Amino acid sequence: EAGVTQFPSHSVIEKGQTVTLRCDPISGHDNLYWYRRVMGKEIKFLLHFVKESKQDESGMPNNRFLAERTGGTYSTLKVQPAELEDSGVYFCASSQDAKGVLHYNEQFFGPGTRLTVL
Amino acid sequence: AQSVTQPDIHITVSEGASLELRCNYSYGATPYLFWYVQSPGQGLQLLLKYFSGDTLVQGIKGFEAEFKRSQSSFNLRKPSVHWSDAAEYFCAVGRRATSGTYKYIFGTGTRLKVLA
Repeated sequence: EAGVTQFPSHSVIEKGQTVTLRCDPISGHDNLYWYRRVMGKEIKFLLHFVKESKQDESGMPNNRFLAERTGGTYSTLKVQPAELEDSGVYFCASSQDAKGVLHYNEQFFGPGTRLTVL
Repeated sequence: AQSVTQPDIHITVSEGASLELRCNYSYGATPYLFWYVQSPGQGLQLLLKYFSGDTLVQGIKGFEAEFKRSQSSFNLRKPSVHWSDAAEYFCAVGRRATSGTYKYIFGTGTRLKVLA
């Protein structure tokens, strides 16, 4: 079974340009998450989709970031216009529905997209 | 606010030596704790997790971790390191937010280098 895939693996753009990152979750996973790691910092939650709906977008830095998940399959994260501080590694994760009293569903992570804004 | 601290940014050990990676957390309730590893070009892979019960947790690849509530720690250990263990290791606390979303709070990571 294929894992979570992300495209591109690396992206180098100039300040002010637009970049779109793509994430394909594991087939059948309704939950899709975006996280970001700025250099030297911790990995931070950005947002969570359940199917095509945004369940929680409390971690999105500002309105230059737009995430979509049309049809509840793959997701895109667009940064427009990109700023220097947007550089980092963007991780996507997916999980099945939570079941049981533990209310825990393991999130499976992709390899990340390394974004460099010059 | 919840937080996770990994005090060691880099650690270098010789192959065959023992390893301990430190993790301290700040969390009001009983934490769900995780260790993830990221090898070059790979995604984050779950090594082990702790929810409750036995405080010594066994994971994949010969790793184990011990939960110590009194010290708010969840240190990762391996008795004999292999060259393939060179990677970056992340400790995390899991919690369910008021939105219903299950989120991880990660530490800053520890990069492990293994000498032949």
